[in-house]
Amino acid sequence: DGGITQSPKYLFRKEGQNVTLSCEQNLNHDAMYWYRQDPGQGLRLIYYSQIVNDFQKGDIAEGYSVSREKKESFPLTVTSAQKNPTAFYLCASSALAGAGYEQYFGPGTRLTVT
Amino acid sequence: KQEVTQIPAALSVPEGENLVLNCSFTDSAIYNLQWFRQDPGKGLTSLLLIQSSQREQTSGRLNASLDKSSGRSTLYIAASQPGDSATYLCAVRRPPYNQAGTALIFGKGTTLSVSS
Repeated sequence: DGGITQSPKYLFRKEGQNVTLSCEQNLNHDAMYWYRQDPGQGLRLIYYSQIVNDFQKGDIAEGYSVSREKKESFPLTVTSAQKNPTAFYLCASSALAGAGYEQYFGPGTRLTVT
Repeated sequence: KQEVTQIPAALSVPEGENLVLNCSFTDSAIYNLQWFRQDPGKGLTSLLLIQSSQREQTSGRLNASLDKSSGRSTLYIAASQPGDSATYLCAVRRPPYNQAGTALIFGKGTTLSVSS
């Protein structure tokens, strides 16, 4: 059963703590992405990776960090430097050849920081 | 800077009605355009993908069109059903030579409510 999994579905943290969100895909996709969704804001790109051991900042990377040690995994760490971390986080992946680069999304992780 | 706008922000229709959702983008240099559906608290489900060289794509009761020169796309839903109630998002993919590689730029979505 191919797809993208994100865990956990809900995450609660105290302000000042770092937290890591998991994203795994078994679609054999080269590219992976992290987006953030806020009410009324639409999705915004945090980080993306087009190949293992390489990743690039998106539009709102401040306060976040990522790693891409394996093709199937792209974890996102929300650090204490992120001023407004409470949001819905979505991971996506796409092939970089063929299939028109269609993006597929995971079910999301809702992070609440108090 | 590419901006994507979706109008209207919300739409309520009775069951059985045909409807059109609109999406506009400011930079016609796109690689493709994708329509998604999002149910409350869920991830995104891809509905249709239109390549920049295509004019339209169809899947069941859905038809999406693309006019790159005018920076517009429409999603047509025929014979709407209560199960179509969701938020519909439009996103364009920047050309590979731009920054952020293959990432998408999203509109804020249209929230559709179909009443029975």
